[in-house]
Amino acid sequence: EAQVTQNPRYLITVTGKKLTVTCSQNMNHEYMSWYRQDPGLGLRQIYYSMNVEVTDKGDVPEGYKVSRKEKRNFPLILESPSPNQTSLYFCASNQQGSNQPQHFGDGTRLSIL
Amino acid sequence: EDKVVQSPLSLVVHEGDTVTLNCSYEVTNFRSLLWYKQEKKAPTFLFMLTSSGIEKKSGRLSSILDKKELFSILNITATQTGDSAIYLCAGGGGTSYGKLTFGQGTILTVHP
Repeated sequence: EAQVTQNPRYLITVTGKKLTVTCSQNMNHEYMSWYRQDPGLGLRQIYYSMNVEVTDKGDVPEGYKVSRKEKRNFPLILESPSPNQTSLYFCASNQQGSNQPQHFGDGTRLSIL
Repeated sequence: EDKVVQSPLSLVVHEGDTVTLNCSYEVTNFRSLLWYKQEKKAPTFLFMLTSSGIEKKSGRLSSILDKKELFSILNITATQTGDSAIYLCAGGGGTSYGKLTFGQGTILTVHP
């Protein structure tokens, strides 16, 4: 089954404790992206990757890092999480970036205390 | 800076009504306008529009793009309670065509 898998689905943690949210897709897609969703703000793109070792900033990259060492994986790293990063996070993938609809993961709800 | 603005932000209607959701965009190197429906979990794809004036339809939903005036509309006819959701539009573009900018979303509530 074609899918985008995010882990964990829920996480409560404390300020400053490094965390990683993993994202994996099994569709051999070149393009992957991370979004955060906050009430009244829609989805905001954090980072995207057009292929292995190729990443670029979205609209809200501050406080986040990403890496794309393999085609199927695109982890989101919060080196020093802060409460303003409490949000619902989505990973997505497709074959051709903005030329195609994306497949979304089920989301990761992060709470930073 | 790219910008996508949706209106209205919230809409409450009764079953059977017709609704029109609006989306205006300013996107560098614009390539596509996408509509998604979000219920409890991840957004699900509705339409992708790349050409002006060509209506796309799926059942009771339809959408059209105006590249001259930089907007799109999503129409839902004969609404049902199952249409209650957040409707998101997004503009795709950017220098590497990977950037996607979403609007704030329109919360649609359909009462029986």
